[in-house]
Amino acid sequence: EIVMTQSPATLSVSPGERATLSCRASQSVSSSLAWYQQKPGQAPRLLIYGASTRATGIPARFSGSGSGTEFTLTISSLQSEDFALYYCQQYNTWPPMYTFGQGTKLEIK
Amino acid sequence: QVQLQESGPGLLKPSGTLSLTCGVSGGSISSGNWWNWVRQPPGKGLEWIGEIYHSGTTNYNPSLKSRVTISVDKSENQFSLKLSSVTAADTAVYYCARGRSSGSYGPFDYWGQGTLVTVSS
Repeated sequence: EIVMTQSPATLSVSPGERATLSCRASQSVSSSLAWYQQKPGQAPRLLIYGASTRATGIPARFSGSGSGTEFTLTISSLQSEDFALYYCQQYNTWPPMYTFGQGTKLEIK
Repeated sequence: QVQLQESGPGLLKPSGTLSLTCGVSGGSISSGNWWNWVRQPPGKGLEWIGEIYHSGTTNYNPSLKSRVTISVDKSENQFSLKLSSVTAADTAVYYCARGRSSGSYGPFDYWGQGTLVTVSS
């Protein structure tokens, strides 16, 4: 099983500033990496797939980068609605065994 | 716009069988995508349970495989989850989600709103 490790567990950032979230895979997942945003009481929402492609309707302030085992989600100029939980997910294994990171909580500083 | 809706009992007793259904609207379950179940224990992270194709082909998380059955009902445009021999550790919000297209790798792009299932005597 590929283990996904996210850091930090909690990130405190002021509105208008940039946030950088990290995700590391225990072995290469190529670019088969997605990022999700989850708010309290809601389902996860797909933000980024293919490591760097924004999903439909996702604002340009969200960007993803990386390949192999190291990935980054960057949110430029944080808006109030961006404070939430963020999960990374790999989908590169065969047979399928999708695994998620433990999440990073983005909170208001 | 594809929409998914989970339904099923919210409370069951230990050793029982969890049964949930996910109704798909705004699209066909035979569209060529795989359909997934994911769960999230209260205050914890996400765990993939398994996926099904409209043909009935399934893939399961090895850690749950002995207790899980996912099935599809094309006539009703829905798919279902059964998890047997439940314990308190199976208490979670259960989500259904649309996954990859056949023959490719892909993320989960549409999710249901989730349903809380509590296992308690």
